[in-house]
Amino acid sequence: GDSVTQMEGPVTLSEEAFLTINCTYTATGYPSLFWYVQYPGEGLQLLLKATKADDKGSNKGFEATYRKETTSFHLEKGSVQVSDSAVYFCALSDLQGGTSYGKLTFGQGTILTVHP
Amino acid sequence: SAVISQKPSRDICQRGTSLTIQCQVDSQVTMMFWYRQQPGQSLTLIATANQGSEATYESGFVIDKFPISRPNLTFSTLTVSNMSPEDSSIYLCSVRQVVDEQFFGPGTRLTVL
Repeated sequence: GDSVTQMEGPVTLSEEAFLTINCTYTATGYPSLFWYVQYPGEGLQLLLKATKADDKGSNKGFEATYRKETTSFHLEKGSVQVSDSAVYFCALSDLQGGTSYGKLTFGQGTILTVHP
Repeated sequence: SAVISQKPSRDICQRGTSLTIQCQVDSQVTMMFWYRQQPGQSLTLIATANQGSEATYESGFVIDKFPISRPNLTFSTLTVSNMSPEDSSIYLCSVRQVVDEQFFGPGTRLTVL
């Protein structure tokens, strides 16, 4: 079945540092890939997405490129801020591989803490 | 994106009781989903709720434990039945609008004593 693996956390950075959170996936079809963010005490928000190979999703300074050859979708940001402290989830939705109803399969989440 | 609300936002319940969680969307949507997020864990899909048909449950989840209603295109309920402390989690509903995007409600934080 489909699965998503994220780098183990938590990740602690100083403000303005470079961020990478690794994400790899296994899917039988042609998944769309997502990064969701969960700020403290809030629900999940869609951060960015990519729907096909070589697509780059971007939002709020975050970027991720859909790499089919390495089955990866790593999240990057060039200069993090304290306000980026949150839990980040990588996820996939496989609409063409036979899984029912386009459900999301999530990675385990990575806690990011950014210090001033 | 759709605006999704959930009630209650949190609750503390006794073992053996049941709790019904409501999910309301501000626009009509075909597909709604219910997820569970156990403490410190990722999200796991419980079931898919489509209006006019029975909910589709994922492996490990059964209708007797998590009955779902979907009476119209803007509303759904999830009941957690005969609760035990292991049911303590955040329960989230989500909706799919754009073909491959899901948007989530704020969640219901459930603690079972």
